[in-house]
Amino acid sequence: EIQMTQSPSSMSASLGDRITITCQATQDIVKNLNWYQQKPGKPPSFLIYYATELAEGVPSRFSGSGSGSDYSLTISNLESEDFADYYCLQFYEFPYTFGGGTKLEIK
Amino acid sequence: EVQLQQSGPELVKPGASVKISCKTSGYTFTEYTMHWVKQSHGKSLEWIGGINPNNGGTSYNQKFKGKATLTVDKSSSTAYMELRSLTSEDSAVYYCANGNYAMDYWGQGTSVTVSS
Repeated sequence: EIQMTQSPSSMSASLGDRITITCQATQDIVKNLNWYQQKPGKPPSFLIYYATELAEGVPSRFSGSGSGSDYSLTISNLESEDFADYYCLQFYEFPYTFGGGTKLEIK
Repeated sequence: EVQLQQSGPELVKPGASVKISCKTSGYTFTEYTMHWVKQSHGKSLEWIGGINPNNGGTSYNQKFKGKATLTVDKSSSTAYMELRSLTSEDSAVYYCANGNYAMDYWGQGTSVTVSS
């Protein structure tokens, strides 16, 4: 099973900041990685697929990078609506596995 | 527009079973594998398994084998997940999800509470 180590588990930032969240897989997942945003009481919302591709309707302040086993999500110019939980997902092989999540709070 | 509409919240007794539905619309039902995901309160997400609606072929997370059974009804474009022998550890929100990139689209979630 591929383990996904996501960090940090929580962080605080201010409006307008730029933040980065990372996910490290226990093996090469060949960019088969998605990022999701989740707000309380809601299902995850699809942000990025194949590590770098922005899902439809997602603001351009979100970006993804990485390859091999190391990936990151960057949010530039934080807006109030961005304060939420974030998760990575590897869909390279079964069982699919998620990172432990990052709680992004406002400073 | 792809829509996944899940059944309502469930309160079930320990040892019982529950069957959750995920009714789909806005696309061809057989186009995407349907995945199911568990989220315990305040915790991360766990992939339970996936089912190919074309042939009913399934893949399960070893952790959920014997706990979850995935099925589909092509005639109604609906996917189902049955959970058996429920304990307090099964209390969670369960999501169905699918799409071109595994889980683009998500249902709204079904809360399952196991309590006597």
